[in-house]
Amino acid sequence: EDQVTQSPEALRLQEGESSSLNCSYTVSGLRGLFWYRQDPGKGPEFLFTLYSAGEEKEKERLKATLTKKESFLHITAPKPEDSATYLCAGGYNKLIFGAGTRLAVHP
Amino acid sequence: GAGVSQSPSNKVTEKGKDVELRCDPISGHTALYWYRQSLGQGLEFLIYFQGNSAPDKSGLPSDRFSAERTGGSVSTLTIQRTQQEDSAVYLCASSPRLAGNTGELFFGEGSRLTVL
Repeated sequence: EDQVTQSPEALRLQEGESSSLNCSYTVSGLRGLFWYRQDPGKGPEFLFTLYSAGEEKEKERLKATLTKKESFLHITAPKPEDSATYLCAGGYNKLIFGAGTRLAVHP
Repeated sequence: GAGVSQSPSNKVTEKGKDVELRCDPISGHTALYWYRQSLGQGLEFLIYFQGNSAPDKSGLPSDRFSAERTGGSVSTLTIQRTQQEDSAVYLCASSPRLAGNTGELFFGEGSRLTVL
């Protein structure tokens, strides 16, 4: 069964405290691994696509990496505005989403 | 605006009633997706449309759920004889092509359905 699992479910950080979010997947016919950000009351917003093991993508304080079985979203020196739920998804045309990691960054 | 538009933003209905949720995709986007998000859960795939191809309905949870897309643009998700477990946020997304090519879906803000 196709599955995307994210950990931790929730993460609380102090401003400037770097950390990583994990996404493990077992998705048949995986075309890519995708990261999204979702703010409360909003739809998810696309962040990154990763296609092959070893690939890395960066955007501001976020860096996504991919291995054969999992992906990490590294957050360096986070700010309160980085607080959101981060979702990862895998698949081909039908994306399978994980339940997300709720990140709270406190000043 | 240029984004994906969904209506209504909130819908409260009684158990057993039918509801229709509407999605206006970004102009020119050929792929359109419906997902459902229950409280504290991830997004559950329901259906996608791509151009004139037959839709992938494999995620629809029961025959009470149906969706259509008219003229390759606006889509309507219909839930018949609603049940309390149908309560969720229904998200629509569109893309210039199927997700497998770029992974970039443009989501609307969702329609929150509450079934009493």
